[in-house]
Amino acid sequence: DAGVTQSPTHLIKTRGQQVTLRCSPKSGHDTVSWYQQALGQGPQFIFQYYEEEERQRGNFPDRFSGHQFPNYSSELNVNALLLGDSALYLCASSTWAGMHNSPLHFGNGTRLTVT
Amino acid sequence: QQQVKQSPQSLIVQKGGISIINCAYENTAFDYFPWYQQFPGKGPALLIAIRPDVSEKKEGRFTISFNKSAKQFSLHIMDSQPGDSATYFCAALRQNFVFGPGTRLSVLP
Repeated sequence: DAGVTQSPTHLIKTRGQQVTLRCSPKSGHDTVSWYQQALGQGPQFIFQYYEEEERQRGNFPDRFSGHQFPNYSSELNVNALLLGDSALYLCASSTWAGMHNSPLHFGNGTRLTVT
Repeated sequence: QQQVKQSPQSLIVQKGGISIINCAYENTAFDYFPWYQQFPGKGPALLIAIRPDVSEKKEGRFTISFNKSAKQFSLHIMDSQPGDSATYFCAALRQNFVFGPGTRLSVLP
C-alpha cells in the first residue's frame, strides 16, 4: 500500500521563475492538502483539494495555485518565485468523510530552493 | 485564534527519562489534536491523536494528556530512547490542521 508520494524531491529555481510540484495521495484517500514548511518551523496550510476543487485556502498569495485530477493526484504551482518561497513543500492526504476524526498522511516533501 | 503555541523549543533528555512537550490553543472550535514526529529529510508522521472529550490517551510509551478547560494538551514520552530524537509537532483541527512551531528532542545515550 503506497503512501503519499511527491516529486521531485529537490528543486532549484531562480527568482521570477515558475515551479510545479506533484503529489499522489495514499491509496483510498480522496483529499489532498498542501503545506509549506520553512526551516525550523511547523507546516503552514496552503490549500486543500477535494473533488477537483479548492475547498479551503490558507493565508497565501494567489501566486500559489493548485489542481486536483480525477485520480485524486494533485499539483502545486508557484509563479513569480521569491527567495522567501524557499521551503519544504509537503503534500498530505486524507479522506473527506473522515476529516474530523482522522489524521493527515504526509509525503516526504519537495525541497524548493530559490536563488 | 488559529495559533497553536508549543514549548519548549528544544529538549534534551537522558535515555530512559521522560520527555514532556506542551501545547496550548485559543480556538475552542478545534476538535481533533494529533501529534506528529518528523525526522530530518522526512515528512511528519502521525504519532498519537486525541479528541477533546477524552482527558488522556496512551499508546505504548506515548501518552497525550488533554485539559479542555485550560485549552492545553501535552505529549509524554516514557522511557525515552535515542531513536526518539526528532522534531515533534502538535496540531489542532477545525477546518484544516494548524501546527505548532515544533520541539526538537534529543535523547542522549
